[in-house]
Amino acid sequence: ETGVTQTPRHLVMGMTNKKSLKCEQHLGHNAMYWYKQSAKKPLELMFVYSLEERVENNSVPSRFSPECPNSSHLFLHLHTLQPEDSALYLCASSQETFSGNTIYFGEGSWLTVV
Amino acid sequence: AQKVTQAQTEISVVEKEDVTLDCVYETRDTTYYLFWYKQPPSGELVFLIRRNSFDEQNEISGRYSWNFQKSTSSFNFTITASQVVDSAVYFCALREMANSGYALNFGKGTSLLVTP
Repeated sequence: ETGVTQTPRHLVMGMTNKKSLKCEQHLGHNAMYWYKQSAKKPLELMFVYSLEERVENNSVPSRFSPECPNSSHLFLHLHTLQPEDSALYLCASSQETFSGNTIYFGEGSWLTVV
Repeated sequence: AQKVTQAQTEISVVEKEDVTLDCVYETRDTTYYLFWYKQPPSGELVFLIRRNSFDEQNEISGRYSWNFQKSTSSFNFTITASQVVDSAVYFCALREMANSGYALNFGKGTSLLVTP
């Protein structure tokens, strides 16, 4: 059983829809991340939360809105997305944001924007 | 600039062959961390190993072994006696201590196909 779970695993949405991706970590970690994986591109860091406070927003468009209500849960709210936003969105967590900590990933949410 | 280079885009081997996945990194930090992850078709990135810059000892875990050489900035991964279940995309990643933000710098990955 993975320590980081993501729902839904697959999502198809229209460009005018509003949807959310959910992530939960069961590892007792204090830091959580959203990464984006597009075809033929390296994984890109989107957002970082440490103790529920956003510490990095990596130039992500405002149509992506993260929320971290507590250290175990992380959401990514999606609205008015574009087809080029179709990708695998990976949630991850680590003990802290310290660079030596291992980052553990979930199974990802496959998003298709039509 | 790409900090982690995985020059092999795709590798195909027959079961039981040994295979080495190359990883070359670039950093000016003296303290940094290197990682390998495995991504099967399901999508999850599975952590395999973490190595800090001060520990150049090679590591072996079952059929997996890693060769870290600071002199050539390489952190190569070898699978011995490959199996079909090893088929996946493998990512090498670098995390720097200083002035790096919070990002894991990933290479573009090497897709490994092991056929029976």
